[in-house]
Amino acid sequence: AQSVAQPEDQVNVAEGNPLTVKCTYSVSGNPYLFWYVQYPNRGLQFLLKYITGDNLVKGSYGFEAEFNKSQTSFHLKKPSALVSDSALYFCAVRDGAGAGSYQLTFGKGTKLSVIP
Amino acid sequence: NAGVTQTPKFRVLKTGQSMTLLCAQDMNHEYMYWYRQDPGMGLRLIHYSVGEGTTAKGEVPDGYNVSRLKKQNFLLGLESAAPSQTSVYFCASSGQGYQETQYFGPGTRLLVL
Repeated sequence: AQSVAQPEDQVNVAEGNPLTVKCTYSVSGNPYLFWYVQYPNRGLQFLLKYITGDNLVKGSYGFEAEFNKSQTSFHLKKPSALVSDSALYFCAVRDGAGAGSYQLTFGKGTKLSVIP
Repeated sequence: NAGVTQTPKFRVLKTGQSMTLLCAQDMNHEYMYWYRQDPGMGLRLIHYSVGEGTTAKGEVPDGYNVSRLKKQNFLLGLESAAPSQTSVYFCASSGQGYQETQYFGPGTRLLVL
């Protein structure tokens, strides 16, 4: 079975500082990893994904994520946080190995607050 | 190109009433999904479809039914609503393949009294 964990319910960071939102996963095959952002009363917006290749993935709005196979992690990062980055962030995984591979399993979300 | 749209945006039901949520996508995607979002629980998959005329159960299918009569539409039905079905419902669609991104609609907020 595939699963994903976001160990922090909330992350607070000062504007201009680097931010990290953590994600770890568990799959039996190759992982396909995604990050989404949700602003209040809105749907989920796709940020970036890792399928294969370079472990550092760059996405929208200056975000990037690093895939670490040995640590089964896919942490979201940004060099300099903006107040407008304040939102709910979801990590999701799909197991590339056979049954259930249509399904995307989401973490419980991490609320990011960027303090002016 | 509207992407994924959902109707209605908000609805209040009484226990035992029925309703249908409509999802439409204009991206010619084969796959469509229905999720529910509850505080502290992330998104959980209710049902999904890998093509017109096909549906399958997800993680939390009980109390819901779905239909995909047209490729662009995916309907979620509640036959007899219960307070436990108070939630925000999101529809998503994607192309075929493990690497494909799911694109989400704006959501339907449902309150069951």
